[in-house]
Amino acid sequence: AQTVTQSQPEMSVQEAETVTLSCTYDTSESDYYLFWYKQPPSRQMILVIRQEAYKQQNATENRFSVNFQKAAKSFSLKISDSQLGDAAMYFCAYRSPYSGGGADGLTFGKGTHLIIQP
Amino acid sequence: GAVVSQHPSWVICKSGTSVKIECRSLDFQATTMFWYRQFPKQSLMLMATSNEGSKATYEQGVEKDKFLINHASLTLSTLTVTSAHPEDSSFYICSARTSGKRGGTQYFGPGTRLTVL
Repeated sequence: AQTVTQSQPEMSVQEAETVTLSCTYDTSESDYYLFWYKQPPSRQMILVIRQEAYKQQNATENRFSVNFQKAAKSFSLKISDSQLGDAAMYFCAYRSPYSGGGADGLTFGKGTHLIIQP
Repeated sequence: GAVVSQHPSWVICKSGTSVKIECRSLDFQATTMFWYRQFPKQSLMLMATSNEGSKATYEQGVEKDKFLINHASLTLSTLTVTSAHPEDSSFYICSARTSGKRGGTQYFGPGTRLTVL
């Protein structure tokens, strides 16, 4: 079974600064998908960014980018120019490439609570 | 695009009653939907995978007779918590997967807070 580890329960950053959230995972599969989701106080899960393991290029979405290190099984999220609206729980998630039998459900890490200081 | 709704957003019920939660994909068809459970200050745990036109697949430890899932159409999945007890109180979140060549992305509903008295 795959596991996802987020070792930072809480992170704090000044507004407009850059912060990096860590995520490591364990899998024996060679192809898979990785995601970062954001959960603000409303508890609505919002997709931040997605990475396919077969792609060497790191995914980028505006101020959000990832550092995907496949050999190290590391998938960190960098948020540049932090804004007050970025304050939320951030969850790293893994998805197997296979379908059926629950295999394509997401395995989540425990989350990192991101605080933005004005 | 890729909007998922859930109804109700919150529900309070008495112990022993059944509660149905609906999950709808509003602007896309989803052959596969997922149900997650989230306890306070914890992560999401996959409960079951809902497949249109076939039986749901439950994760280990999830009682399928207690959490009934029906995926009757390409845009609707329902979760029924039968004979609810206080320990079933939790935040239930559904997601729907978009179709895609190499697997779609899951988009989440806003969740349903269930409180069993």
